[in-house]
Amino acid sequence: EIVLTQSPATLSLSPGERATLSCRASQSVNTYLAWYLQKPGQAPRLLIYDASNRATAVPARFSGSGSGTDFTLTISSLEPEDFAVYYCQQRKDWPLTFGGGTKVEIK
Amino acid sequence: QVQLQESGPGLVKPSETLSLTCSVSDGSITTHYWNWIRQPADKKLEWIGRIHASGTTDFNPSLHSRVTMSLGTSKFSLQLASVTAADTAVYYCARGTTFGAGNWFDPWGQGTLVIVSS
Repeated sequence: EIVLTQSPATLSLSPGERATLSCRASQSVNTYLAWYLQKPGQAPRLLIYDASNRATAVPARFSGSGSGTDFTLTISSLEPEDFAVYYCQQRKDWPLTFGGGTKVEIK
Repeated sequence: QVQLQESGPGLVKPSETLSLTCSVSDGSITTHYWNWIRQPADKKLEWIGRIHASGTTDFNPSLHSRVTMSLGTSKFSLQLASVTAADTAVYYCARGTTFGAGNWFDPWGQGTLVIVSS
């Protein structure tokens, strides 16, 4: 099973700041990695797929990069609605697995 | 925009079978993969398995021996047998995307908490 490790566990930032989230895979997943956002009390929402493709209606301030084992989600300028938990997920191998999440909180 | 809604008992006794249904608001039940994912408190999201409109299924090996999935009219279901306290979690249903071999999840249901306790 491919293990995804996200860091940091918590990121404390102010609105307008840049957020950089990391996801590391235990073995190469090529670019078969996605990012999801989950707000409190809501279902997760797909943000980025195949490492760098924004899903429908996702704002341009969200960008994804990386390949192999190291991936980054960048939020260029945090909006109030971006403070939430972010998860990564791989589809390179069965079973499909998720990272443990990074919480982006208001500083 | 399709909407998914989970339903089922919120409390299940140990050793019994957990049964959940996910209602799908549009007709896409016939064209996509349909997934179940769960999240125990303070733990990672865990993919349980999926069923395709054709009836084919794929399951997480860690749960394979206890999982059954089925497809109905505008709904799909999960059954998890012989539950223990370790199966206590929020259970989500989610549609597989039309890209990425159906292995990305969009959208998700709101989730339903299932507690396993006597």
